[in-house]
Amino acid sequence: QKEVEQNSGPLSVPEGAIASLNCTYSDRGSQSFFWYRQYSGKSPELIMSIYSNGDKEDGRFTAQLNKASQYVSLLIRDSQPSDSATYLCAVALAGQNFVFGPGTRLSVLP
Amino acid sequence: GAVVSQHPSWVICKSGTSVKIECRSLDFQATTMFWYRQFPKQSLMLMATSNEGSKATYEQGVEKDKFLINHASLTLSTLTVTSAHPEDSSFYICSAFGKTSGGQETQYFGPGTRLLVL
Repeated sequence: QKEVEQNSGPLSVPEGAIASLNCTYSDRGSQSFFWYRQYSGKSPELIMSIYSNGDKEDGRFTAQLNKASQYVSLLIRDSQPSDSATYLCAVALAGQNFVFGPGTRLSVLP
Repeated sequence: GAVVSQHPSWVICKSGTSVKIECRSLDFQATTMFWYRQFPKQSLMLMATSNEGSKATYEQGVEKDKFLINHASLTLSTLTVTSAHPEDSSFYICSAFGKTSGGQETQYFGPGTRLLVL
């Protein structure tokens, strides 16, 4: 069973703080890793992708991947109330087999 | 990134009617599309994988005769909810593989269709 796990939350952080979202996966053959953001009542939108170990930064977002430990994380710096959403971690094997985590609900408090 | 559209965005229908939802890849060709369902405050649930020119692959527990999927072209997949009942009321989302600006493939989601069966 290929699994992707996330804490369901809610994760509450004050405005301006760093939000840290974590994801673990079970299949060592996983090759591609993605973070999606889903606002309430909307469909998911891609915010970050990462394919190799280490950090990848895009604006206030940093994705971190550690294949040896089988985890991928998303850091959001200077969190804003508009970042309040559910964040979905997705893991893909070679080819096109995506597995989504259940999502972590983030609440940024003004 | 790639753009995926869905139509309609909202459907309200009477119990027993059939509802067709369209999913289009607007600026790329998608040999594979996916149909998800999401109930309030719950996770995405993959219903089926739609393959252009062949039969869809349904996830366990999803009735293929109730949720008809047709992938007639490289840019269009349709989901028909046949004889809809109130328990079918949900948020239906399609997705397709497209290329990121970096050339890597990932799933892009349509905006979703909210179905309410009275």
